[in-house]
Amino acid sequence: GAVVSQHPSWVICKSGTSVKIECRSLDFQATTMFWYRQFPKQSLMLMATSNEGSKATYEQGVEKDKFLINHASLTLSTLTVTSAHPEDSSFYICSASRSGWNIQYFGAGTRLSVL
Amino acid sequence: AQSVAQPEDQVNVAEGNPLTVKCTYSVSGNPYLFWYVQYPNRGLQFLLKYITGDNLVKGSYGFEAEFNKSQTSFHLKKPSALVSDSALYFCAVRVRSGNTPLVFGKGTRLSVIA
Repeated sequence: GAVVSQHPSWVICKSGTSVKIECRSLDFQATTMFWYRQFPKQSLMLMATSNEGSKATYEQGVEKDKFLINHASLTLSTLTVTSAHPEDSSFYICSASRSGWNIQYFGAGTRLSVL
Repeated sequence: AQSVAQPEDQVNVAEGNPLTVKCTYSVSGNPYLFWYVQYPNRGLQFLLKYITGDNLVKGSYGFEAEFNKSQTSFHLKKPSALVSDSALYFCAVRVRSGNTPLVFGKGTRLSVIA
């Protein structure tokens, strides 16, 4: 299957700082990338859908000014958690797909811990 | 609205025995159904999908799933479980093709005991 790389895999930061998470499709051009958030022992909750070259579409309840998503190229999307707080601590997972594909391919996830 | 139910939080099975992880769905249209597996601190790995055609679909690592339209189910099965199958399994659905988001069930933790 296609490969999606997510970096970093684990990040610890101080409250009030910003953290950037990268999601890269290594062997295909991802026209669409999705960002999910997963709380312990819970399912994945969709945060936003990002189409290359367009503004991301955020799910209800997700603050777009706090979770900045950029999808500037067909192989890279970034999620920036601005002014992070302890309640933002979570596991963030991206997935990528391409027009005409039925399958989404997932990154390995980023565990964010805000102190 | 689309939804997925995985009624079991945990499934325990002895190694070598058959396993079933249950999934039912609710959509207003034809479903596109998926199973993913997640190992600790890792992203999701695709196992198999049902789009159209044969109701029994075969996927990675010996897993298979049967689409049952009348029961709106898509249970994951494997004839003989391995200890290495122990992981978190997610069922997901969407109603059309293309780059649309998946709706996930809450996940079922499978423990295979040697």
